[in-house]
Amino acid sequence: KAGVTQTPRYLIKTRGQQVTLSCSPISGHRSVSWYQQTPGQGLQFLFEYFSETQRNKGNFPGRFSGRQFSNSRSEMNVSTLELGDSALYLCASSLELVAETQYFGPGTRLLVL
Amino acid sequence: AQSVSQHNHHVILSEAASLELGCNYSYGGTVNLFWYVQYPGQHLQLLLKYFSGDPLVKGIKGFEAEFIKSKFSFNLRKPSVQWSDTAEYFCAVTQGAGNNRKLIWGLGTSLAVNP
Repeated sequence: KAGVTQTPRYLIKTRGQQVTLSCSPISGHRSVSWYQQTPGQGLQFLFEYFSETQRNKGNFPGRFSGRQFSNSRSEMNVSTLELGDSALYLCASSLELVAETQYFGPGTRLLVL
Repeated sequence: AQSVSQHNHHVILSEAASLELGCNYSYGGTVNLFWYVQYPGQHLQLLLKYFSGDPLVKGIKGFEAEFIKSKFSFNLRKPSVQWSDTAEYFCAVTQGAGNNRKLIWGLGTSLAVNP
């Protein structure tokens, strides 16, 4: 089976712009979770989608949003980018619940200038 | 709210040394516990997990972890490390139940093994 894929792998944006990141889960996985990884904060949970519904959300501002499509592919969007949004954004998929084993993608490294 | 502490941020060992990485969590009750590993240039991947049963869990590449409920701990061990174990190690613990359940992560421990 193909693993979790994320596009793009690298992205450079300027403050105030918006960005959309994409994640394709492992075939058959219905849960997709998004994380922000930074050296000082570790992995911070953004949100989880299951069957096109946002099931859980972390403590991030409303500028961070996401969605999931009927084929389980997911996108996350960050509007009005800030310098502090520079991070590695990881997507993980699991068969059912987020607390089951998660399979991670390579991440999208976002740099905000 | 659940919090996860990994006591060692950076660990440097020589090959064949024994390893123990600490992980403590704050919230009692029923939890699922995980150790994930991120090798240089690779994706995060599961090392081992504990859901129930025998508190001594064995994972890939000779790693094991022991769940001690009374101490809220889930420490990772390996009797003899190799250079290829150089990686970042993350402990994660569930918070909540049902549809509100989510994973809370430690900040990670960077392990460097000198050949």
